[in-house]
Amino acid sequence: DIVMTQTPLSSPVTLGQPASISCRSSQSLVHRDGNTYLSWLQQRPGQPPRLLIYKISNRFSGVPDRFSGSGAGTDFTLKISRVEADDVGVYYCMQATQSPPTFGRGTRVEIK
Amino acid sequence: EAQLVQSGGGLVQPGGSLRLSCVASGLSFSNYWMTWVRQSPGKGLEWVANIKEDGSEKSFVDSVKGRFTISRDNAKKSLYLQMNSLRAEDTAVYYCARYHCSGGVCSTFDYWGQGTLVTVSS
Repeated sequence: DIVMTQTPLSSPVTLGQPASISCRSSQSLVHRDGNTYLSWLQQRPGQPPRLLIYKISNRFSGVPDRFSGSGAGTDFTLKISRVEADDVGVYYCMQATQSPPTFGRGTRVEIK
Repeated sequence: EAQLVQSGGGLVQPGGSLRLSCVASGLSFSNYWMTWVRQSPGKGLEWVANIKEDGSEKSFVDSVKGRFTISRDNAKKSLYLQMNSLRAEDTAVYYCARYHCSGGVCSTFDYWGQGTLVTVSS
């Protein structure tokens, strides 16, 4: 199975400041069809996971444009341009390029 | 509003059974693969099982093979997870999710249910 490693484990951020989360996969996530099936999920306290970004950089419906994704191959990044109070929670990267789909252990974003 | 509403779950003794349900509303169901994912403090998020749009293909994580079955009723826009021979390590919050697949390639889980807690303990 592909192992997804996220850093940092926790990210204390000042409101209005940017945040960045890294995700590294144990194998390339480029599918034979040329796409890279790397997603980012947000889980607010007490809530289920919610899809933010799919295929590295595509924002899902209703996701604010302060969230952006980038990367290629095995290294990926989620950036929040200006953190708001509503962004507190745990963020997960997830790959679906190879079965079974696997998840990172999560990065907790909290307000300083 | 697009949502997946879950029911079932609860406390069960080791060796017991439970059935989880997930009903879709406000989103397409019959044209999509569906999946179950569980979350526990020790193992984080873990994919459990998939089922194809018409139910003809199913797959499971090794740890639940032979004990869990996944099924669906497209007329009722419903997904099910039958869990038998439950073990303590199956304790987790279970989520249903829609699996976005096209042309045999699956890309992400786009809608998630609210989750239901399954606790296996004597």
